[in-house]
Amino acid sequence: KAGVTQTPRYLIKTRGQQVTLSCSPISGHRSVSWYQQTPGQGLQFLFEYFSETQRNKGNFPGRFSGRQFSNSRSEMNVSTLELGDSALYLCASQLAGVETQYFGPGTRLLVL
Amino acid sequence: GESVGLHLPTLSVQEGDNSIINCAYSNSASDYFIWYKQESGKGPQFIIDIRSNMDKRQGQRVTVLLNKTVKHLSLQIAATQPGDSAVYFCAETKGAQKLVFGQGTRLTINP
Repeated sequence: KAGVTQTPRYLIKTRGQQVTLSCSPISGHRSVSWYQQTPGQGLQFLFEYFSETQRNKGNFPGRFSGRQFSNSRSEMNVSTLELGDSALYLCASQLAGVETQYFGPGTRLLVL
Repeated sequence: GESVGLHLPTLSVQEGDNSIINCAYSNSASDYFIWYKQESGKGPQFIIDIRSNMDKRQGQRVTVLLNKTVKHLSLQIAATQPGDSAVYFCAETKGAQKLVFGQGTRLTINP
């Protein structure tokens, strides 16, 4: 079974721009969670989607948003990028009702 | 508050020795704990998990111990190999909700 895939793997943007990241979960996994990883803050939860609905949300500003499609693929969007948004963005998928989350390789975003 | 912390940010061990990585958690209501391994340039990789109704679980060369009395979690790696070099994270959750991660411990293997 293919693992979680994320595209693109690397991105360079400038302040004020917006960015969209994509995540394809493991086949059969309907829950997708997004995390931001930085050296200073570690892994922080952004939001979780299940069956196209946001089920859980972390403590991030409204510039961070996401959505999930009927095939369980998910996208996250960051608008009006700030330098501090530079991070590794990780997507994880899980089976319904099962706690274990499986991560993709991440998208490394650099904001200049 | 919700936080999962680690006692040491770095750990160096000799190849072949056993490694013990520790983690303290603060949410006594958490009912599921996971250890992840993250190698450079990769996403976290699931290693082993344990539920709150257990105090020990073994996998291949790895053992997780849970002490709910002191809210402490540990990962033991037997016969550490160069491929074990990575950052190890503990994470906790309750009811299949979001994972709360610790800051991570970087494990370095000395030849």
